[in-house]
Amino acid sequence: ETGVTQTPRHLVMGMTNKKSLKCEQHLGHNAMYWYKQSAKKPLELMFVYNFKEQTENNSVPSRFSPECPNSSHLFLHLHTLQPEDSALYLCASSQRGQSSGNTIYFGEGSWLTVV
Amino acid sequence: DAKTTQPTSMDCAEGRAANLPCNHSTISGNEYVYWYRQIHSQGPQYIIHGLKNNETNEMASLIITEDRKSSTLILPHATLRDTAVYYCIVTTNYGQNFVFGPGTRLSVLP
Repeated sequence: ETGVTQTPRHLVMGMTNKKSLKCEQHLGHNAMYWYKQSAKKPLELMFVYNFKEQTENNSVPSRFSPECPNSSHLFLHLHTLQPEDSALYLCASSQRGQSSGNTIYFGEGSWLTVV
Repeated sequence: DAKTTQPTSMDCAEGRAANLPCNHSTISGNEYVYWYRQIHSQGPQYIIHGLKNNETNEMASLIITEDRKSSTLILPHATLRDTAVYYCIVTTNYGQNFVFGPGTRLSVLP
């Protein structure tokens, strides 16, 4: 139990569907992240939010739309995805700016299959 | 791109110490060394981190060379449940360049 909860754990969606992934952190952190992990590939950073403001977007296609309504919740809205978007999507949080470092804590991930 | 270099894979006998090396020759003075591991199909798990000094916690020890260009993660008594991919990352306290490379696949053998 890391204090970062992701739902749903598994999602199957068609290419024309709209769905959302949800993440909630119970750690009081000021930063939240979305990562993508495709089969047999390293984790790829998608988005970073710091105090609800998006600070990084690593050239992610617009069919992925993040939303951070407050510092505890993060969503990833999915629309007209492609089969190659099937992957494990990981949410994480951290407390940026501490003198002791920036330890990132991950959720268990949401497995997405696009059919 | 990741700023670290790790061996692709390693084996370790159950009960023995597992020593996982990481090269980070371009590390900056304000960057920490972090270690995570990922067991199949799960989110990465934080293990340990350090800046200059060696560190130890209930999971592992981290040895950082004096010039900070490399480090070693030590699992003192490896068990089968330690079989995972281990990632070494260097980053600032603001999380810049928190990039995962391919890591080291550690297999603990009975």
